[in-house]
Amino acid sequence: DVKVTQSSRYLVKRTGEKVFLECVQDMDHENMFWYRQDPGLGLRLIYFSYDVKMKEKGDIPEGYSVSREKKERFSLILESASTNQTSMYLCASSLPDDNQPQHFGDGTRLSIL
Amino acid sequence: RKEVEQDPGPFNVPEGATVAFNCTYSNSASQSFFWYRQDCRKEPKLLMSVYSSGNEDGRFTAQLNRASQYISLLIRDSKLSDSATYLCVVNSETGGFKTIFGAGTRLFVKA
Repeated sequence: DVKVTQSSRYLVKRTGEKVFLECVQDMDHENMFWYRQDPGLGLRLIYFSYDVKMKEKGDIPEGYSVSREKKERFSLILESASTNQTSMYLCASSLPDDNQPQHFGDGTRLSIL
Repeated sequence: RKEVEQDPGPFNVPEGATVAFNCTYSNSASQSFFWYRQDCRKEPKLLMSVYSSGNEDGRFTAQLNRASQYISLLIRDSKLSDSATYLCVVNSETGGFKTIFGAGTRLFVKA
């Protein structure tokens, strides 16, 4: 089974802090993704990566950056956290073929105070 | 028009009922399709892929209609544990790889 592990289930940070969310997958997947999910808005793609050191902006990249130094790890960075970034953050990974599904981590519920 | 549209529900059904969800997609070049299940405050989990010829997994049947651009999920003999949100997911590779998630259909199965 695919295992996608996110570093924290719950996280509370303060406005202006730099926040790191970590995601690791153990299936040698090329593609990795970061989403946020908010009530009534569904899943929205922040960034994705299809290879080490490669990254692509998703639909809502503003206020975020990512890092993929190793194939198994994809980090999401909130450069200066704001209250509107309070959300559920979900990491996913998949094989590169477009007929492959994404597999999700447990999610990180982030609160910015 | 949203790229992937689902009836948000909620669908309230008794145990043992048969329930069906539809999902429409706008990109005719879409290539692969999935149904995910998401429990409250949990991550989405793959329920099943949807194949052109239709496919079945136990009580669950998925169908694809490319001409009308919709996919469906049929749940037979509903169980209390089927209560969840069901997400329709569409992959396409027009102008780059893209995965679109529907907003989900909420299902409540009651005793």
